[in-house]
Amino acid sequence: GENVEQHPSTLSVQEGDSAVIKCTYSDSASNYFPWYKQELGKRPQLIIDIRSNVGEKKDQRIAVTLNKTAKHFSLHITETQPEDSAVYFCAASKLTNDYKLSFGAGTTVTVRA
Amino acid sequence: DTGVSQDPRHKITKRGQNVTFRCDPISEHNRLYWYRQTLGQGPEFLTYFQNEAQLEKSRLLSDRFSAERPKGSFSTLEIQRTEQGDSAMYLCATPGTRGPSSTDTQYFGPGTRLTVL
Repeated sequence: GENVEQHPSTLSVQEGDSAVIKCTYSDSASNYFPWYKQELGKRPQLIIDIRSNVGEKKDQRIAVTLNKTAKHFSLHITETQPEDSAVYFCAASKLTNDYKLSFGAGTTVTVRA
Repeated sequence: DTGVSQDPRHKITKRGQNVTFRCDPISEHNRLYWYRQTLGQGPEFLTYFQNEAQLEKSRLLSDRFSAERPKGSFSTLEIQRTEQGDSAMYLCATPGTRGPSSTDTQYFGPGTRLTVL
């Protein structure tokens, strides 16, 4: 099955700086890569996703890049704010048959004021 | 609001008891997923339904676990003879109805946090 690895496990940044989280996946057939943000005690919330036919996608301060050859994708948060503090999860899926998501172990992001 | 509700939100039970969780999508979706999330980990796939048919089950789903989706709308997840290792957040997810990612993206319900004493 798919194996998703995520690094780093924790990340502390100064407010206003950028944060980068990296993930690798093992199944070359995976073609859908969402990112979720989870605040303490709450559900994972989708923040951005990317499909394999696209190399980069941006949404305001958030961007995701995908390198299918290397089988890795990254989340970039610019101009970080205290409300960006949360656990972020990457995931991978094949958009055929079951669409089930395989998640990374998560990155705890702390934005220092 | 993701359009998915789960009940109960919290459940505390003693080892050996049976528990049942329910997931209610507000809008009908042909696909419905169950995941389990333990502390400090990402969600792990348990099972999924295409309408009322349960099409795949993870190896994590032992024979003590059973899931149903009788009318292709709400779903239940039952755990029999609970063990302390079953303590986790149980999350239900369905595809979204908004935006270009609507058919691929999974939106999670609030989850049911199970504590087995």
